[in-house]
Amino acid sequence: ETGVTQTPRHLVMGMTNKKSLKCEQHLGHNAMYWYKQSAKKPLELMFVYNFKEQTENNSVPSRFSPECPNSSHLFLHLHTLQPEDSALYLCASSQDRGEDTEAFFGQGTRLTVV
Amino acid sequence: DAKTTQPPSMDCAEGRAANLPCNHSTISGNEYVYWYRQIHSQGPQYIIHGLKNNETNEMASLIITEDRKSSTLILPHATLRDTAVYYCIAAPPRGTSYGKLTFGQGTILTVHP
Repeated sequence: ETGVTQTPRHLVMGMTNKKSLKCEQHLGHNAMYWYKQSAKKPLELMFVYNFKEQTENNSVPSRFSPECPNSSHLFLHLHTLQPEDSALYLCASSQDRGEDTEAFFGQGTRLTVV
Repeated sequence: DAKTTQPPSMDCAEGRAANLPCNHSTISGNEYVYWYRQIHSQGPQYIIHGLKNNETNEMASLIITEDRKSSTLILPHATLRDTAVYYCIAAPPRGTSYGKLTFGQGTILTVHP
């Protein structure tokens, strides 16, 4: 248990569905991240939020829509996905305090688009 | 972030030390070396990090060469549960770059009984 909780752990959705992934951290961190890990590929950073403000969008298609209502919660809203979007989606958090510090990752949501 | 190079795979006998190398010859002066590992289908787990001094914690030791162009992660007594993909990352400690980590392919460490 890392203090970062992701739900659901597994999700199967059709290409016309709308679903949301949820991430919650109780570590008091002020920065949260979404990563994508496709089969046989390295983790790819998707979005960065710092103090609830999106500070980075790594050219992610608009069918992925992040939401950060507060520093403890992060959502990834999904709509009209493609089969190639099937992947492990990982949430992470860290504390931006001007020093070196580590990131804590959740267990991920295994998404399958059919 | 500086590029890192790691061997794609390594084997280690259970109970022996696992020494995982990483090359980061273009590392800049303010970049730290971070090590994470990912056990199959789980989220990455932080192991250790350092700037220029050797570091040790309850999980591992990190040896950084004097010129900082390479480093070695040492798991002193590898167990079967240490089988995972190990990532070496060079990144600066500024702002949200702390969690903005650039992952490569890593080294698949397999610990054998």
